[in-house]
Amino acid sequence: AQKITQTQPGMFVQEKEAVTLDCTYDTSDPSYGLFWYKQPSSGEMIFLIYQGSYDQQNATEGRYSLNFQKARKSANLVISASQLGDSAMYFCAMREVTEKLVFGKGTKLTVNP
Amino acid sequence: DAMVIQNPRYQVTQFGKPVTLSCSQTLNHNVMYWYQQKSSQAPKLLFHYYDKDFNNEADTPDNFQSRRPNTSFCFLDIRSPGLGDAAMYLCATSRMGYEQFFGPGTRLTVL
Repeated sequence: AQKITQTQPGMFVQEKEAVTLDCTYDTSDPSYGLFWYKQPSSGEMIFLIYQGSYDQQNATEGRYSLNFQKARKSANLVISASQLGDSAMYFCAMREVTEKLVFGKGTKLTVNP
Repeated sequence: DAMVIQNPRYQVTQFGKPVTLSCSQTLNHNVMYWYQQKSSQAPKLLFHYYDKDFNNEADTPDNFQSRRPNTSFCFLDIRSPGLGDAAMYLCATSRMGYEQFFGPGTRLTVL
């Protein structure tokens, strides 16, 4: 069974608008971490934001925020005020007991001028 | 700046000719990882090290080997590359319990 599901293969957004990228996860471990990474066409994976399973508040990092709904097992990434440079692949990932990350299949975001 | 460095950025090899990809880090992280990422797919973990303890994923082919001679360096050896091994190879590092930092990747082409 897939542990990380990203149901949006592609998303489009107008520059300066906000966009939400969906991520749902499946785990029976009470302790886990959720991550979002950005991968531009150059290939490098860039860490964006982290949410721990015991964190009470949603994580925020600049224009990025993570909408964490534990009961629904969702960890959606919200990008506010989209910029052209935000066009990239976005991967949601989960870390359980081990240090290993399990990635979703990714969402390709295109920001239109 | 502290970083993860991968060399070379682009590697072309011939079918069956051994190739070695290298990764170095200045972050002093104790965990290092090698991922394979094929076009339009998610990264797939091949191996990882906790310090010198080597951990192989169950489905990593025997054709892939790794070495970590010290904290800073890690190598991926592909003994007999096949056409199906053409991919982006990503190295990452982390401290235990923290986010992984990735290098820029090595794009491998097999002719």
